[in-house]
Formats: sequence, C-alpha cells, structure tokens
Amino acid sequence: DTGVSQNPRHKITKRGQNVTFRCDPISEHNRLYWYRQTLGQGPEFLTYFQNEAQLEKSRLLSDRFSAERPKGSFSTLEIQRTEQGDSAMYLCASSLAGRRGETQYFGPGTRLLVL
Amino acid sequence: RKEVEQDPGPFNVPEGATVAFNCTYSNSASQSFFWYRQDCRKEPKLLMSVYSSGNEDGRFTAQLNRASQYISLLIRDSKLSDSATYLCVVKRNTGNQFYFGTGTSLTVIP
Repeated sequence: DTGVSQNPRHKITKRGQNVTFRCDPISEHNRLYWYRQTLGQGPEFLTYFQNEAQLEKSRLLSDRFSAERPKGSFSTLEIQRTEQGDSAMYLCASSLAGRRGETQYFGPGTRLLVL
Repeated sequence: RKEVEQDPGPFNVPEGATVAFNCTYSNSASQSFFWYRQDCRKEPKLLMSVYSSGNEDGRFTAQLNRASQYISLLIRDSKLSDSATYLCVVKRNTGNQFYFGTGTSLTVIP
C-alpha cells in the first residue's frame, strides 16, 4: 500500500497521560499536514511540514502539542497531559507541492478517546 | 466569519435524483478549490479539484464563481453509494493552509 498510513488507528488513554501518533506519508511527498476532526465538523488545521521544517502552526496547537518530522519522511504528533477535550480524530495528509498545484491525500486517522 | 461555509444538510434524495451543494468562501485571495468525500468514520478522499472554467467527472460537475466567492457540486443520477459527507476545501494563495467546510451530509434513499 503506497498511501498515507497512520498508527495507531485507535487510542484510549486516561486524562493526564501522554500520547504519540505516527504518520507515514506517500514517499515522494514533501509536505505533511496534521488535522484534528471532531464530530460534525470538518478537519481543522493543526500544523504542517515542508520536508523536515515545521512551517506553520495553528493557534489550536497549544503548548501541550508538539510535532516533528525529523528526516523529512514520517512525522509524529505528541499530546502531553491529555485532556478530555483532546478526544477527536487526528488526521494526517501529505502532498507534493509544485507548480501544478497541490492536492492532499489523507491517512485513515487516529481516533483518540481521553477518559 | 468562517473561512468556508457549507449548508450541513442533511440532504435526503431518492435514487436517480440530481442534487446540488453550494459552498462559500470568505477570502478573495483563495486560489485552489476542491471537493472531498468523507464516509462515516473514514478519512476524507479527494472527489475532484475545481477549476475556474468548471469541470466534470462522470456524474459530478464542479463550478467556481470567483466574483461571488462560491463553489458548487452537482451530482446527477444519484446512487446509493453517493451517500456520504461532502467537504468543500479552499486554499489561499498565501500560506499553505487548506480550509475545510463542516461538510454537507447526503443520503440517497432507495
């Protein structure tokens, strides 16, 4: 499968615990995006990387959230001291930015439940 | 004002019907436009990009009206398998954020 993959697919944790999610983009894609989606809403932008550089972060991304893409390939999103309000689907998308425009392709998401 | 606004629906239509969704965007500097489809508890999947001259892909037609800042999606001859949420997506020509609408829910009824 050469699409975007995410792990784990589901995560249940207790409030106050730390969680880490992984995203493996399509191999030739240079951009990687993280989104959060709650029920009845569209995906909300969290942050994105061009290669290994984190270029934009949303105001939604509090200091408990951190993302990395150390070698410009896979990325991790960590949430520290989770809160019940963090319960959501976390989606990763990748794209190949170029002169012909940019189209995002999404992974299956990680569904987080904070108890 | 939200960057992208859509009527959430739900739209319930019989098989074979034609249904149209509209989406408005607030930033006139928006550059790229897309429709994504999202099935329940699944990830969004690209349905089609929207080009300035309008474009068609089988039963699906997308149109862009820059003057009025809206995008439309027309589905002809609806199938049961078209039941999903349709997300309108806009990208500005500054920065690299993609802005998603809340989605429009479609159910095609036998």
